[in-house]
Amino acid sequence: QSVLTQPPSVSAAPGQKVTISCSGSNSNIGNNYVSWYQQLPGTAPKLLIYQNNKRPSGIPDRFSGSKSGTSATLGITGLQTGDEADYYCGTWAGKVFGGGTKLTVL
Amino acid sequence: EVQLVESGGALVQPGGSLRLSCAASEFTFSNYWMSWIRQAPGKGLEWVANLDQDGSEKYYVDSVKGRFTISRDNAKNSLYLQMNSLRGEDTAVYYCAREEMIAATIGYWGQGTLVTVSS
Repeated sequence: QSVLTQPPSVSAAPGQKVTISCSGSNSNIGNNYVSWYQQLPGTAPKLLIYQNNKRPSGIPDRFSGSKSGTSATLGITGLQTGDEADYYCGTWAGKVFGGGTKLTVL
Repeated sequence: EVQLVESGGALVQPGGSLRLSCAASEFTFSNYWMSWIRQAPGKGLEWVANLDQDGSEKYYVDSVKGRFTISRDNAKNSLYLQMNSLRGEDTAVYYCAREEMIAATIGYWGQGTLVTVSS
């Protein structure tokens, strides 16, 4: 049972937009920055978003993050088949992660 | 490019011990907090332990306290995880990771090493 709650799966067609939610509490998301990680099949996680909405160098602007209160959202536009992966939210101050969301690009 | 390469994963019997290593390169290792994070088969991510730049501050998830010890050797650019009294629930891929304190995130992950605890 993960501390942060994510939907197990989401799906959308190529070119469409998808959002992935991450719900927590005041002890984690509410008072800390949120990060998002992408884990492609068989690989290690990779940082996508940090400090709620910032992208590391090399991450395309198709990926975006937002936070409101005790929830956060990852948005992906212009979906590509290469975006199929597991996505995890996390708050580093609390050392907690969500259970992960599997994105399927139909 | 930052490189983190784990090694030492293996099949071990319950109650056994194992030492994981992580070789870091292409950055000044001694400037960073480092973590071990694990992922059980088909499951999500779980932070295991971390330590500060000189190894004087160490923190552990409750489930491994007293059994696991995190350490580092800055002269060898290496991070370690000594795992004792291993249990089936410790079966996981173990990732070495670099913390980004200002950004409050994990910036880089190694490729992971698999630890299987089974008789």
